[in-house]
Amino acid sequence: QVHLVQSGAEVKKPGASVKVSCKASGYSFTTYVIHWVRQAPGQRLEWMAWISTANGNTKYSQKFQGRVTITRDTSASTAYMEVSSLRSEDTAVYYCARGGTHFDDWGQGTLVTVSS
Amino acid sequence: QSALTQPASVSGSPGQSITISCTGTSNDIGGYNYVSWYQQHPDKAPKLMIYEVSNRPSGVSNRFSGSKSGNTASLTISGLQAEDEADYYCSSYTSSGARVFGGGTKLTVL
Repeated sequence: QVHLVQSGAEVKKPGASVKVSCKASGYSFTTYVIHWVRQAPGQRLEWMAWISTANGNTKYSQKFQGRVTITRDTSASTAYMEVSSLRSEDTAVYYCARGGTHFDDWGQGTLVTVSS
Repeated sequence: QSALTQPASVSGSPGQSITISCTGTSNDIGGYNYVSWYQQHPDKAPKLMIYEVSNRPSGVSNRFSGSKSGNTASLTISGLQAEDEADYYCSSYTSSGARVFGGGTKLTVL
């Protein structure tokens, strides 16, 4: 059974950075892309980026290019997403999802709160 | 990349059928058969309901079906049940290799 388990909730001050992890199990980690999607309170889903777990290639939404970095550690079957220069508008639940052209399985979500 | 356009809300009575539309452009929905649909209950992670326009993952009820015509995709739910009440999002692959979601539709079962 596929599981994507994300790290716990975070509270950060404006200007800080946050790094969220997503540990995969139940399948061969390098055979699926990992996407990152966020959802601000009461808002829609917003696609952020994907990473090829096989070769590390990445693709970012123009909105997040330069402020978001996604990486992976194949030995740990874990993907990471780091957001820098946090602002209040980054308060959201961040999800990782396994898939290619669609999102087959999702992590439980990580709430990141940005507040002074 | 602008969000795909969905109606903000739809409603129906138990047993009825409803359809949710999702409109994009030739750079996303119209150009590829990579439209997917997700169901999201409050405070839960989204769940894949339909992929590649009309395919259902294992375990998803056959009451859920998808289609596409031009730049518009549709999700139909037949035989509405109380547990279908949720938010629904469409998503598409895009010509740049990015992905895009719709604005979401709140389904109310009356």
